[in-house]
Amino acid sequence: QVHLQQSGPGPVKASQTLSLTCNISGDSVSSDSAAWNWIRQSPSRGLEWLGRTYHRSKWNTDYAESVKSRITMKADTSRNQISLQLNSVTPEDTAVYYCARLVGRGAFDIWGQGTVVTVSS
Amino acid sequence: QSVLTQPPSVSAAPGQRVTISCSGSSSNIGKNYVSWYQLVPGTAPKLVIYDNDKRPTGIPDRFSGSKSDTSATLAITGLQTGDEADYHCGTWDYSVRGWLFGGGTKLTVL
Repeated sequence: QVHLQQSGPGPVKASQTLSLTCNISGDSVSSDSAAWNWIRQSPSRGLEWLGRTYHRSKWNTDYAESVKSRITMKADTSRNQISLQLNSVTPEDTAVYYCARLVGRGAFDIWGQGTVVTVSS
Repeated sequence: QSVLTQPPSVSAAPGQRVTISCSGSSSNIGKNYVSWYQLVPGTAPKLVIYDNDKRPTGIPDRFSGSKSDTSATLAITGLQTGDEADYHCGTWDYSVRGWLFGGGTKLTVL
């Protein structure tokens, strides 16, 4: 059974860096049939995909245009986890952040428990 | 404003049928598979339909999905109070090269 366990601080001050990790159990971050994603949800923006990282003979990363200049996603094979860093946060980045596994022809089938991130000015 | 358009809300009585639409374009729904997610406050989102019309293990057959051209539809029959949630459609968009979600539809079971 695949399980995603998120960790990381909830409160972040404006202009600082948001950092979250997602520990994967029951699957491998290096799987050639999955991609590992970060998605956030807020009342103003709904569900918003932030980016993904996946391994297909080499590591690949795609980011949403809306955060491309501020985001870094990494895979740690030794810990079997992914991480998210979002720089220069503003109150607009306040949201519930989820990691999620993408499989098949496009389905987020497993989600982390969510982390409430509040950016204070 | 989301590129995938959903009605903000739908409602129906227990036992009834409801449909939720998701309208996109040729760069997203028109070229890709659609999935649907159930969001209940305080819980992780749940996949209820994938590949336009397939149900994951454990999702009752009261849930069904369909797609036609640049639109997709989620249908729920035999409504139960436990079905109350926000439902979001999602798909890949070749134009923005990223995943898109609909704005979400709040289902109320009266």
